[in-house]
Amino acid sequence: AQSVTQLGSHVSVSEGALVLLRCNYSSSVPPYLFWYVQYPNQGLQLLLKYTSAATLVKGINGFEAEFKKSETSFHLTKPSAHMSDAAEYFCAVSGVRSGYSTLTFGKGTMLLVSP
Amino acid sequence: DAGITQSPRHKVTETGTPVTLRCHQTENHRYMYWYRQDPGHGLRLIHYSYGVKDTDKGEVSDGYSVSRSKTEDFLLTLESATSSQTSVYFCAIRSDGSNSPLHFGNGTRLTVT
Repeated sequence: AQSVTQLGSHVSVSEGALVLLRCNYSSSVPPYLFWYVQYPNQGLQLLLKYTSAATLVKGINGFEAEFKKSETSFHLTKPSAHMSDAAEYFCAVSGVRSGYSTLTFGKGTMLLVSP
Repeated sequence: DAGITQSPRHKVTETGTPVTLRCHQTENHRYMYWYRQDPGHGLRLIHYSYGVKDTDKGEVSDGYSVSRSKTEDFLLTLESATSSQTSVYFCAIRSDGSNSPLHFGNGTRLTVT
């Protein structure tokens, strides 16, 4: 059973529009949740992380995510998209296997931004 | 990239040949990981290490082995490469602490012909 689900392999927005990338998880223990961004031919860069201190988490580049336990969700948002936001985004959760030693990743969502 | 170096960055090899990928860190972190990235699959964990000589399997470990003889180096070996192992391989490191994030290297693109 998949433990991290990212809805939509591709999301297209216009520059200036709201960005919403969806992530749902399943975990039998309180999870830690992360969003990463990957630009072409590069490694993954941490955008933000949820570690139970606050349900609304702010990250780099104007992104934020809200942890909703009742919905088992951790959706990523940005009020106004920039062309430079075009990249692939990955949601990840720890606490799925091997305790908290490893991260399990979703399959990714490619964000396309048009002028 | 948090002091992580992967080598080589690109490699083309033939089916049946052994291949070793190297990950070197300068952060003195305890945890090191090897993931593979394939279109439509995201990142999948191959093996990870929680200390020198301490390793464990991930979800796609068949056909791969690892070794960690020093804190700073984590080697991934394909004993006999197959075309299904054509992929981009990422090394990652993590400090102690259950909520610590992973920090990734720039990847190795491996093509098995």
